[in-house]
Amino acid sequence: DTGVSQDPRHKITKRGQNVTFRCDPISEHNRLYWYRQTLGQGPEFLTYFQNEAQLEKSRLLSDRFSAERPKGSFSTLEIQRTEQGDSAMYLCASSSDRFTGELFFGEGSRLTVL
Amino acid sequence: AQTVTQSQPEMSVQEAETVTLSCTYDTSESDYYLFWYKQPPSRQMILVIRQEAYKQQNATENRFSVNFQKAAKSFSLKISDSQLGDAAMYFCAYRNQGAQKLVFGQGTRLTINP
Repeated sequence: DTGVSQDPRHKITKRGQNVTFRCDPISEHNRLYWYRQTLGQGPEFLTYFQNEAQLEKSRLLSDRFSAERPKGSFSTLEIQRTEQGDSAMYLCASSSDRFTGELFFGEGSRLTVL
Repeated sequence: AQTVTQSQPEMSVQEAETVTLSCTYDTSESDYYLFWYKQPPSRQMILVIRQEAYKQQNATENRFSVNFQKAAKSFSLKISDSQLGDAAMYFCAYRNQGAQKLVFGQGTRLTINP
């Protein structure tokens, strides 16, 4: 399967702990996106990479959040000192150079903060 | 800031019938793209159909078609001959031309009754 893969699929953590999510995009896609989706809502944009460069960040991405894409391939999203409000589905998506608006999404990483 | 509104949290339709999902958006831009994405239960989101704002002709993809009313800022999705596999959350989304961020609506949960 050559789709977007995310790991872990589910993460339960205690408040105050750090968590990291990994996304492996479709191999030929140079653009990578992170979105957050809370229950009953549509996805909200967090950040965007073109190759290894992080070109756009949402105000939703507080100082506790950091995303990287060190070699322009996989990406990680780290949340430090988690809060209950961070509980959500974290979606990764990728697209190719000729961006026509079609994002290819992974199945998401669901975070539950107790 | 652009906003997308889906006023129907839930819709249901009999199998083989036609259903229309509503979406309105707010923007001051003239060049943009509109999308409908489908999110089946526990599966990744996929693109259903895309519309460029500069095109007057409504997009069509097999059983899926849109009614794009630019002046009214309305973008509805019509699903003909509904099938059980169409059951999912449907999200309307907006993107400015040249931008990377997608702005999603709250979603409509579509149920297909056999």
